[in-house]
Amino acid sequence: RKEVEQDPGPFNVPEGATVAFNCTYSNSASQSFFWYRQDCRKEPKLLMSVYSSGNEDGRFTAQLNRASQYISLLIRDSKLSDSATYLCVVNRGSYAGNNRKLIWGLGTSLAVNP
Amino acid sequence: ETGVTQTPRHLVMGMTNKKSLKCEQHLGHNAMYWYKQSAKKPLELMFVYSLEERVENNSVPSRFSPECPNSSHLFLHLHTLQPEDSALYLCASSQGRGFEQYFGPGTRLTVT
Repeated sequence: RKEVEQDPGPFNVPEGATVAFNCTYSNSASQSFFWYRQDCRKEPKLLMSVYSSGNEDGRFTAQLNRASQYISLLIRDSKLSDSATYLCVVNRGSYAGNNRKLIWGLGTSLAVNP
Repeated sequence: ETGVTQTPRHLVMGMTNKKSLKCEQHLGHNAMYWYKQSAKKPLELMFVYSLEERVENNSVPSRFSPECPNSSHLFLHLHTLQPEDSALYLCASSQGRGFEQYFGPGTRLTVT
């Protein structure tokens, strides 16, 4: 089983749609979680961190489910500019010692169509 | 955005050439990373420097040689590369390992 798994997509949605991505992780001791966005041929950019209580930033909402070991990203009212690959990133283990490593998912491709 | 810069942005080199990639971070971070990104593959972590000390080397071939002269600068020296080394090479930095990382724009490398 991969440490971090994402559905690669592509997800094709119309403008204005709501779309959700899930990402599962295998290490139950993981402490920190992030969503990054990567545009074609560009570098990944931090979209948002994912907190235990869930967090929202405008049209974007991130949730963490520790019991089932997954995080989710919900995008409401999709815009054409949301078209990108969304990368799930998980800290491999606890912050103690040398066990601090970010594990990257393969990414989920989103295409928002007019 | 100029938090993390990389030069050159594009590089074409022959298999016998020697070249270097440069990364500079202006964020005051204490950890820096080199990643390789090939098509259809997840980001591959190559090297990690924390407080200028190399703390991780993920079985990277010796034809890639990193150097971190100070906490703001990171180099990747390349020699006798193979065509399969063609990829996007990304530099990132963070304040502490395991925390959110900020990336440079990358160097797109083509080995002919």
